[in-house]
Amino acid sequence: SQKIEQNSEALNIQEGKTATLTCNYTNYSPAYLQWYRQDPGRGPVFLLLIRENEKEKRKERLKVTFDTTLKQSLFHITASQPADSATYLCALDEDNQGGKLIFGQGTELSVKP
Amino acid sequence: SAVISQKPSRDICQRGTSLTIQCQVDSQVTMMFWYRQQPGQSLTLIATANQGSEATYESGFVIDKFPISRPNLTFSTLTVSNMSPEDSSIYLCSVEFVGGAGTFFGQGTRLTVV
Repeated sequence: SQKIEQNSEALNIQEGKTATLTCNYTNYSPAYLQWYRQDPGRGPVFLLLIRENEKEKRKERLKVTFDTTLKQSLFHITASQPADSATYLCALDEDNQGGKLIFGQGTELSVKP
Repeated sequence: SAVISQKPSRDICQRGTSLTIQCQVDSQVTMMFWYRQQPGQSLTLIATANQGSEATYESGFVIDKFPISRPNLTFSTLTVSNMSPEDSSIYLCSVEFVGGAGTFFGQGTRLTVV
């Protein structure tokens, strides 16, 4: 069956360091992958979308990589700040038709000052 | 992106009652979806809200429990019927824009059933 896994343990890092979050998938051939930020009690906020033909994408302090051979995406936050503390979710389109997403369980990031 | 507004943002309901959640988008979108996020869990797709026709439900979700309307390209409702405490969750609508720019979510409706 289709499966998405994110590192389940909370990630604790020091302010200013780079946070790296992992998303692995099996039994998929996704055309693209999306990353979201979610704060407690709120809806997910879209951060980045990376397509299968894109190895890397950047947006300000965020960087996402997508390795379709390894079936893995890495999400990096450079120069992390306490305000970056949240849960980060990766999601794949279930059938590459748009919008029907399957989510990983999320990784909780805590950035300490 | 778009502004996606959900109402109510939260509610506490008695078991056996029903709650209708509204989702309004500030631009026309082709695809709208409803998700559920149970406490401590990730998001699960309930159904695709189809404009002018019946919603398409995912495995484990049925129309009698989660009736959905989508009268036009900017608005949809999800009703949680005959609620039980197990229905306590965050319910979220999402939209997908043509061109694959990403899937965007409303702020969610936090439902507590007592």
